Amino acid sequence: AQKVTQAQTEISVVEKEDVTLDCVYETRDTTYYLFWYKQPPSGELVFLIRRNSFDEQNEISGRYSWNFQKSTSSFNFTITASQVVDSAVYFCALSEAFPYNTDKLIFGTGTRLQVFP
Amino acid sequence: EPEVTQTPSHQVTQMGQEVILRCVPISNHLYFYWYRQILGQKVEFLVSFYNNEISEKSEIFDDQFSVERPDGSNFTLKIRSTKLEDSAMYFCASSAGQGSTDTQYFGPGTRLTVL
Repeated sequence: AQKVTQAQTEISVVEKEDVTLDCVYETRDTTYYLFWYKQPPSGELVFLIRRNSFDEQNEISGRYSWNFQKSTSSFNFTITASQVVDSAVYFCALSEAFPYNTDKLIFGTGTRLQVFP
Repeated sequence: EPEVTQTPSHQVTQMGQEVILRCVPISNHLYFYWYRQILGQKVEFLVSFYNNEISEKSEIFDDQFSVERPDGSNFTLKIRSTKLEDSAMYFCASSAGQGSTDTQYFGPGTRLTVL
């Protein structure tokens, strides 16, 4: 069954701490894509990153980095030197491309990150 | 930067009434979607739309729901007879390529409250 699990419901950190948000997925497909979206208090969903199942290279974008490990079906997200503006709910999501080609994004339940000054 | 827009931002309606939620996808995108998020819960897929027809729908998307692209820019979700449990945030999204492989960009959402 296709599923995304974000076991951490809520994380609180103090500014400048590093924080890692965990994401574990299950899929029946050999080709799939993984995403992270940010939902700030204002409510919109902001795209952060997309990775395909054949690209296991870690990615860094400023203070954000992502660690994709196919062997453990995980796609974890680390924020380095967190800031108050990072406070949001973060969603991990999965789409399946082959052989079960489906349009829908399957979301995890989200992790609420609170960064205190 | 192009973005998905949605109107209204908040809609309050009485149970049994019809509502239409509106979206303007990113202009060169060809694939359109609706998702919903009940307060405090995860985001759930409702329907995808391509080439003027539904390409995929979830079990949530029953006969009470319909989608339409009435002109070249708008994409609408209609709920024919709202129920209390339809109260949620409804997100429209669009992508240039098919949803299974391309990035879906989301609008700011419409909060629907059914009284």
